[in-house]
Amino acid sequence: SQKIEQNSEALNIQEGKTATLTCNYTNYSPAYLQWYRQDPGRGPVFLLLIRENEKEKRKERLKVTFDTTLKQSLFHITASQPADSATYLCALAGAGSYQLTFGKGTKLSVIP
Amino acid sequence: EAGVVQSPRYKIIEKKQPVAFWCNPISGHNTLYWYRQNLGQGPELLIRYENEEAVDDSQLPKDRFSAERLKGVDSTLKIQPAELGDSAVYLCASSPWDWDTGELFFGEGSRLTVL
Repeated sequence: SQKIEQNSEALNIQEGKTATLTCNYTNYSPAYLQWYRQDPGRGPVFLLLIRENEKEKRKERLKVTFDTTLKQSLFHITASQPADSATYLCALAGAGSYQLTFGKGTKLSVIP
Repeated sequence: EAGVVQSPRYKIIEKKQPVAFWCNPISGHNTLYWYRQNLGQGPELLIRYENEEAVDDSQLPKDRFSAERLKGVDSTLKIQPAELGDSAVYLCASSPWDWDTGELFFGEGSRLTVL
């Protein structure tokens, strides 16, 4: 069955360091992979989309990589700040599909 | 521009009672989604609408859940009767017709507690 795993439920890092979150998938051939941020009591907010034929995407301090051979996406936040503390969700959609499947998320805490 | 609006934000009911959630998507977004998010989990799709047509309701528990999107704008999700396991956050999202942009716009969610 299709499975999406985000590397850990929680990740604590020191302010100023680079946070790296992992999203692995099995039995899936995604055409798109997305990352969302979710704050407590709020809905997810879209951050980045990367397509299967793209290796890397950047947006300000955010960087996403997509390796279809390893079936893995890495999400990096450089120069992390306490305001980056949130849960980060990865989501995948197959080719021609409008259905996004979400991982459980990783709760990131940036410690001052 | 107003975002996706959901109500109520919180609802506490006794089991076997009915409950309804309302969603107003972003103006011009013809695709509307209802997701359910259990504690510590990612959102799971319940139903997707293209205008007023439900094009994917395979994950909707049809024995007790129903949804409608009259006139292709606002949508209502109903549970009748509610069970203890229905306690979750119900998220509404919308997107424009050009899905190639990929982005889903979520509302703040409606948190349901069934006692």
